[in-house]
Amino acid sequence: AQSVAQPEDQVNVAEGNPLTVKCTYSVSGNPYLFWYVQYPNRGLQFLLKYITGDNLVKGSYGFEAEFNKSQTSFHLKKPSALVSDSALYFCAGGSSNTGKLIFGQGTTLQVKP
Amino acid sequence: DTEVTQTPKHLVMGMTNKKSLKCEQHMGHRAMYWYKQKAKKPPELMFVYSYEKLSINESVPSRFSPECPNSSLLNLHLHALQPEDSALYLCASSLFDPGRSDTQYFGPGTRLTVL
Repeated sequence: AQSVAQPEDQVNVAEGNPLTVKCTYSVSGNPYLFWYVQYPNRGLQFLLKYITGDNLVKGSYGFEAEFNKSQTSFHLKKPSALVSDSALYFCAGGSSNTGKLIFGQGTTLQVKP
Repeated sequence: DTEVTQTPKHLVMGMTNKKSLKCEQHMGHRAMYWYKQKAKKPPELMFVYSYEKLSINESVPSRFSPECPNSSLLNLHLHALQPEDSALYLCASSLFDPGRSDTQYFGPGTRLTVL
């Protein structure tokens, strides 16, 4: 079965420290992977995606993610967290075989001043 | 511009009412989606329209009826809903159909409460 997993329900980090939100995937074929962020009572905002090419993907608001094929991971990172980064983050993936986007369960990021 | 608009922002309806949700995009996208999202959970796909034709129905109850009048507009007609249907309803669009790697852009959602 195809799946995307986010192993942490919540990640806590101090402002100014680096942050990592983890994502692993199990998708047949060549995967494409996305990160979205959702603020309370809002829609999902696109952050970045990996399709092919360079394993390090840079996105909006200083976020980046590294595609690791051997570990089937696509972790989201930021060198220096801001309080305003506090939100719900979703990893999503698919391939030409899936026909739809598969979402992880979401990770709440809490950045404390 | 990557904007998807949804109206209304909030909707409260009784179980016998009929209402509609509206979604609009002017990005020239040919795939449009309806998702249902419960609090702090991932979006659940309901319907996909590709080139104005229904291509995916995720076994959604018939009290939800989608409509795609043209390539920019997507409606979701609601009738005889249940309290458990209360959720945030999200619309999204992408350049082409979901079998490709195109980014889905989401609207802000309609917060639906069924009394």
